[in-house]
Formats: sequence, C-alpha cells, structure tokens
Amino acid sequence: QQQVKQSPQSLIVQKGGISIINCAYENTAFDYFPWYQQFPGKGPALLIAIRPDVSEKKEGRFTISFNKSAKQFSLHIMDSQPGDSATYFCAASIASGNEKLTFGTGTRLTIIP
Amino acid sequence: DGGITQSPKYLFRKEGQNVTLSCEQNLNHDAMYWYRQDPGQGLRLIYYSQIVNDFQKGDIAEGYSVSREKKESFPLTVTSAQKNPTAFYLCASRKIGEAGNTIYFGEGSWLTVV
Repeated sequence: QQQVKQSPQSLIVQKGGISIINCAYENTAFDYFPWYQQFPGKGPALLIAIRPDVSEKKEGRFTISFNKSAKQFSLHIMDSQPGDSATYFCAASIASGNEKLTFGTGTRLTIIP
Repeated sequence: DGGITQSPKYLFRKEGQNVTLSCEQNLNHDAMYWYRQDPGQGLRLIYYSQIVNDFQKGDIAEGYSVSREKKESFPLTVTSAQKNPTAFYLCASRKIGEAGNTIYFGEGSWLTVV
C-alpha cells in the first residue's frame, strides 16, 4: 500500500527555471513532511521539512508548499541550477510517535543549461 | 567525525552465499533502519530497530536478517533466500524524541550478485 504518491517520476528543467515536484498522502495522521535530496551513489540527505501548522516553508531557493485539506505538498526549487540535478524524495510520518518515515517513489531532476 | 558508516561500499556475492553489510553510527541515535533502493522504486524498508536487542520487519524483510546487539551497530545479512538481492542498500538512524522525525542516512552499499 503506497501511502505517499510522488510525481513526476522524472523532470527536466532549464537552468534558472522553477522545478516543481508534487506529493500526495493518504494518512491524515501524518504531521511531518520532509524532503530528501540524493546524488548518484550517495545516501539521501534531508533538504527541508514542514509541519502542517504552516502552509509554506522557505529555505533559500527551496520552498515547501503544504495543502492540508487536499493532503498534498510540493517542493519548489527557484532559479534551478545544474548542481540541483539529483533525485528528490518526499516522505511523511507522525512526528510525535515512533512511526517510521513513508517515502514517495522519487523524482529524478535534471537541470539543463 | 560523527555519522553513519556503511561497509563495504561495493560487494559482489555468488548465488547461494550469505553476505553481511555493516552499519555503525556514533550519533547516539536510538533507532536504526535498513532500506533497499532499486531504480524507479524509491526506498523500501527492510528492517528497523528502536532499541538494543529488538527489531521489527519492514515491508520487504523476506530473505534478510538483522541483529542489534549494540546501540551503535545494526548489521544486515542478505541470505541466499533473497531471490533478487542486487541493489543499493542504505542504513539510516534517528534520535527518538528529537523534534520532528528526521532520519539520517549512510552512504550506502552496492551489492551485486554474480
């Protein structure tokens, strides 16, 4: 049972453009939504995370938008750079418990010059 | 230098052999996890442990075994019963009770069956 659906599977964006990756979840008990960035041959690293008490969180060029009623959240990368080319995973969990993270299937992002 | 250390980075196994992947963390994290990554399928949870001498099966535990004899160590054995073991294996850990639910990953181990 896939509780977090991520799209698109792959994305090509021109340098300087906006990259947008979307995720939807089913479990309304989820209250912690992180995004991980993974470069080839490396382990994923936490990029940015959001709680449902806010609708948006921004860190530098990276922004998470959260829509609780629609059970959706998205990652926006502004002014995308070739160094942003990586695979991005969204995830969800219950922050206060000992629940494990549930990951989306990943989006391979390629930034072209 | 704190972090999660996985070894070996690359491992080749003959069919029918068991292999063990090492995972050590010096972050004083309570929980440890093993994930398997295949192209296009994201991260799938194999086993996890929240306390020493206790562990739970994840979504794809068949053909794998683990132990948690020490807080800092969580080795994964890929047994001959695992039908398609070639994959990228990721170990992760988390401090229970820390704000949020952030888990931290190691650099991964590539296992290839030849």
